[in-house]
Amino acid sequence: GAVVSQHPSRVICKSGTSVKIECRSLDFQATTMFWYRQFPKQSLMLMATSNEGSKATYEQGVEKDKFLINHASLTLSTLTVTSAHPEDSSFYICSARVRGRLIATNEKLFFGSGTQLSVL
Amino acid sequence: EDQVTQSPEALRLQEGESSSLNCSYTVSGLRGLFWYRQDPGKGPEFLFTLYSAGEEKEKERLKATLTKKESFLHITAPKPEDSATYLCAVQARFGGSGNTGKLIFGQGTTLQVKP
Repeated sequence: GAVVSQHPSRVICKSGTSVKIECRSLDFQATTMFWYRQFPKQSLMLMATSNEGSKATYEQGVEKDKFLINHASLTLSTLTVTSAHPEDSSFYICSARVRGRLIATNEKLFFGSGTQLSVL
Repeated sequence: EDQVTQSPEALRLQEGESSSLNCSYTVSGLRGLFWYRQDPGKGPEFLFTLYSAGEEKEKERLKATLTKKESFLHITAPKPEDSATYLCAVQARFGGSGNTGKLIFGQGTTLQVKP
């Protein structure tokens, strides 16, 4: 299947700094990418949906100014956690939808390996 | 509101002891129900997609079934390597999630298979 590469896999930062997470579709073009966060022993919670070339759509309760999403090309989306605080520590996962595929074939929604963010 | 509930939260089995995981859902028109496997510190790995009540799919020791209100993931004669968290997710036919491919996840069932 298609590969979604997420980088870095783990990051530790000081409170107040910004962290950028990259999500790349390696062998396909992704018109839509999704960003999730997951707390320990909890489910994946959708943060935002990003479409190439347009502004991201954020879920209710997710701060747009804190979690900046850029989807500048069909193979790259980035999530920047600005002015990170300890409560932002979480596991962040991206997923990508293959361009041109029908929604019904959602098995073409591939996930990255995740980024564990720890804010000290 | 679309919602997914999985049970049990955790399940411990002996190797070879078959069991089932449950995923109950409420959704405004089901477009698809998905099962994923997630290992610690990793992203979800796709297992199955089910689209309509009565549908069944199998892969090795796993079999997924679907009704109008719930889905089951049956594990036959599990092995220690089947230990993981199993996630269920739904995609609604109408509304925002149906237009973008958004998945709504359950909280998962953590399976531990002891040798």
